[in-house]
Amino acid sequence: GAVVSQHPSRVICKSGTSVKIECRSLDFQATTMFWYRQFPKQSLMLMATSNEGSKATYEQGVEKDKFLINHASLTLSTLTVTSAHPEDSSFYICSARTAHGDTEAFFGQGTRLTVV
Amino acid sequence: GEDVEQSLFLSVREGDSSVINCTYTDSSSTYLYWYKQEPGAGLQLLTYIFSNMDMKQDQRLTVLLNKKDKHLSLRIADTQTGDSAIYFCAVRTGGGNKLTFGTGTQLKVEL
Repeated sequence: GAVVSQHPSRVICKSGTSVKIECRSLDFQATTMFWYRQFPKQSLMLMATSNEGSKATYEQGVEKDKFLINHASLTLSTLTVTSAHPEDSSFYICSARTAHGDTEAFFGQGTRLTVV
Repeated sequence: GEDVEQSLFLSVREGDSSVINCTYTDSSSTYLYWYKQEPGAGLQLLTYIFSNMDMKQDQRLTVLLNKKDKHLSLRIADTQTGDSAIYFCAVRTGGGNKLTFGTGTQLKVEL
């Protein structure tokens, strides 16, 4: 199957700083990427849908100025958590769908963000 | 919007079959997926079924879909300790790209 790589897998940052998380499709072109947030022992909550070359579509309740998403190429989307606070600590997971819009979405391995 | 529900916990003995259940609310759901998540990891796609199918089998995995009751199940035959993980069902509705995930079922396999 197709491979999606997320980087970093773990990051610890200080309150008030910004953190960038990368999501790359390694062997396919992804016109659409998705960013999810997962709280401990809970399900995945979709934050935003990112389309290459256009602005991301954010889910209700997600602050777009705080969670900046850039999908500049068909293989890379980035999520920047700006002015991070301890309540932003979470597990962030991206997924990507191929340009064919097929049935499967392929997930990255996730990024554990801890804000101290 | 779509609402997807799963039971939170399932415990089985090694070698037994596991059945994980999922219910959803939107009858226009097109694709239904099962994902596996191990601790600290991302999601691994196990299998999926299109809404015009009733059953799909892939090695130890059997997916059953009851569209009338909006009920999806995943059966794992000969469950092994390596199957211990959280299992999420996810539903794709209409022509959209979004997936709505269930709450996840923690499967524990005991010796």
